[in-house]
Amino acid sequence: GENVEQHPSTLSVQEGDSAVIKCTYSDSASNYFPWYKQELGKGPQLIIDIRSNVGEKKDQRIAVTLNKTAKHFSLHITETQPEDSAVYFCAASESTGFQKLVFGTGTRLLVSP
Amino acid sequence: DAMVIQNPRYQVTQFGKPVTLSCSQTLNHNVMYWYQQKSSQAPKLLFHYYDKDFNNEADTPDNFQSRRPNTSFCFLDIRSPGLGDAAMYLCATSRERRGGYTFGSGTRLTVV
Repeated sequence: GENVEQHPSTLSVQEGDSAVIKCTYSDSASNYFPWYKQELGKGPQLIIDIRSNVGEKKDQRIAVTLNKTAKHFSLHITETQPEDSAVYFCAASESTGFQKLVFGTGTRLLVSP
Repeated sequence: DAMVIQNPRYQVTQFGKPVTLSCSQTLNHNVMYWYQQKSSQAPKLLFHYYDKDFNNEADTPDNFQSRRPNTSFCFLDIRSPGLGDAAMYLCATSRERRGGYTFGSGTRLTVV
């Protein structure tokens, strides 16, 4: 089955800096890669996703890049703000069966004012 | 707004006492999922329903059961909660099996 690794586990940045979180996946046939933001005491919220037929997707300050050859994808947050502080999870869909999402282990992002 | 609603937000139960968590959705999605999330860990899929078709993960303990009486509601039953079952339980939905999930806010279960 699919296996997703996520780094770093913790990331501290100053407000206004950029933050990058990286994930690698094992199933070369995986074709859907979402990113979720989870604030304390809340459920994960989808913030951006990318499918395997594109290499990059942007939504305001957030972007995701996908390198299918290397089997890794990254979340980029520019001009970080304190409200970006949360745990971020990457995920990849399995290519077989019902194509469930397999989550990474999460990155705790702390943005200091 | 269309959403996924979980009740209660916090649940305290006694060791071995059956407990039921509920999830409802107004998205009219076909698929409903139950995840268990322990502190500082990724969500772990327990099972899912595609319409009325129940799909259990191979490593989900028998202690965990689920019911989906209609499209809108799904329940998680823990028959005999142990201390190791204390966790956040997340319900999620998706229109089809492929694609983005919408999560509820979760129910934090404490076992005493």
